[in-house]
Amino acid sequence: DTEVTQTPKHLVMGMTNKKSLKCEQHMGHRAMYWYKQKAKKPPELMFVYSYEKLSINESVPSRFSPECPNSSLLNLHLHALQPEDSALYLCASSQPYEKLFFGSGTQLSVL
Amino acid sequence: SQQGEEDPQALSIQEGENATMNCSYKTSINNLQWYRQNSGRGLVHLILIRSNEREKHSGRLRVTLDTSKKSSSLLITASRAADTASYFCATLETSGSRLTFGEGTQLTVNP
Repeated sequence: DTEVTQTPKHLVMGMTNKKSLKCEQHMGHRAMYWYKQKAKKPPELMFVYSYEKLSINESVPSRFSPECPNSSLLNLHLHALQPEDSALYLCASSQPYEKLFFGSGTQLSVL
Repeated sequence: SQQGEEDPQALSIQEGENATMNCSYKTSINNLQWYRQNSGRGLVHLILIRSNEREKHSGRLRVTLDTSKKSSSLLITASRAADTASYFCATLETSGSRLTFGEGTQLTVNP
């Protein structure tokens, strides 16, 4: 299994809602990532988990809260988002120093 | 902040022609990777070249790396309409945790 599965594929939420994005991989990868991508822009790193511990937080606002319940799962909890947070959210996983495997992303719209 | 710049931003060629994309970066790296993205969905890894390597081939892809100039190039030979996509270079910092993407090149291959 060489897939990274992200759910949901699309999400529309209001600014007062709480929602979660989910990501799962069964490749035994020890690093997992969240990236944010705006249209016609490159992916921007948000968070990195290494061996289930948060190793990088790229000064992301606290309305985004990552969680790594186990080595196969990665969540991104969303609360009180702003319209400018609308973007494609990409999850990825890898072995240390190796290529990343990306999920197909969650297209998020904040109204 | 983004690590690198890509050149050109957009490239339009005919089927059968070769496409060359260039990437520059700013800091020391462990490796440099190239990814492809169709229609704003998940990224697909194409090729990885380590900092002690100068050239690498994979099928119709050829990647070079010049660490003294902090630059890389991706050559796609005998292009096909199906190669139409956005191509991103990404650099892995020496700690191995942060993979940062360049601005990307939009390649259009006309039938």
